[in-house]
Amino acid sequence: QVQLVDSGGGLVKPGGSLRLSCAASGFTFGDYYMTWIRRAPGKGLEWVSYISSNGRTTYYADSVKGRFTISRDNAKNSLYLQMNSLRAEDTAVYYCARSRTGGRFDYWGQGTLVTVSS
Amino acid sequence: QSALTQPASVSGSPGQSITISCTGTSSDIGGYNYVSWYQQYPGKAPKLMIYDVSNRPSGVSNRFSGSKSGNTASLTISGLQAEDEADYYCSSYTSSTTAAFGGGTKLTVL
Repeated sequence: QVQLVDSGGGLVKPGGSLRLSCAASGFTFGDYYMTWIRRAPGKGLEWVSYISSNGRTTYYADSVKGRFTISRDNAKNSLYLQMNSLRAEDTAVYYCARSRTGGRFDYWGQGTLVTVSS
Repeated sequence: QSALTQPASVSGSPGQSITISCTGTSSDIGGYNYVSWYQQYPGKAPKLMIYDVSNRPSGVSNRFSGSKSGNTASLTISGLQAEDEADYYCSSYTSSTTAAFGGGTKLTVL
């Protein structure tokens, strides 16, 4: 069955960096676009970034553009999110999700918590 | 502030029907038939309940249905059950080739 396992979250100081990972199994990872979505405490879901199946095309929310980098390794069935220059407002649970046509997300990871605080 | 607007909360009694609205613009909901709805329990990952406005993934109860009119989409849950108590989020494809989410609606089953 399809499984996505998020990892890499933790406590980091403002201005610091963190790299999130998402391990995929149960499907042909290289055939699908993948997305990172976050949910800040007390707030709704926010789309963060997505990457095409071959990794050549990426998009970012304005709130993270220039600070976050999405990447993937299809040989390792893994998705990544490199987060630099972190701010307090980046504090959230981050989910990886499999993307389908029309911007729907049919499978999600369990999420990994990122806390940015001094 | 979320891109799509949902009511913060709705409630209903077991057996009743409820509807959650999701309002956007012509650049998202109104421009595409790509509205999705997600159910999320506390501490759990969101689950896709409706896609492409009104389609249900395999395994989702037919008590859940979706519709759209203009820039507003709706999720209706009929025959409300205690297990339906959760947060619900709408999402739409946008003209920026990204996805916009609503702020979420907390459903309480009385």
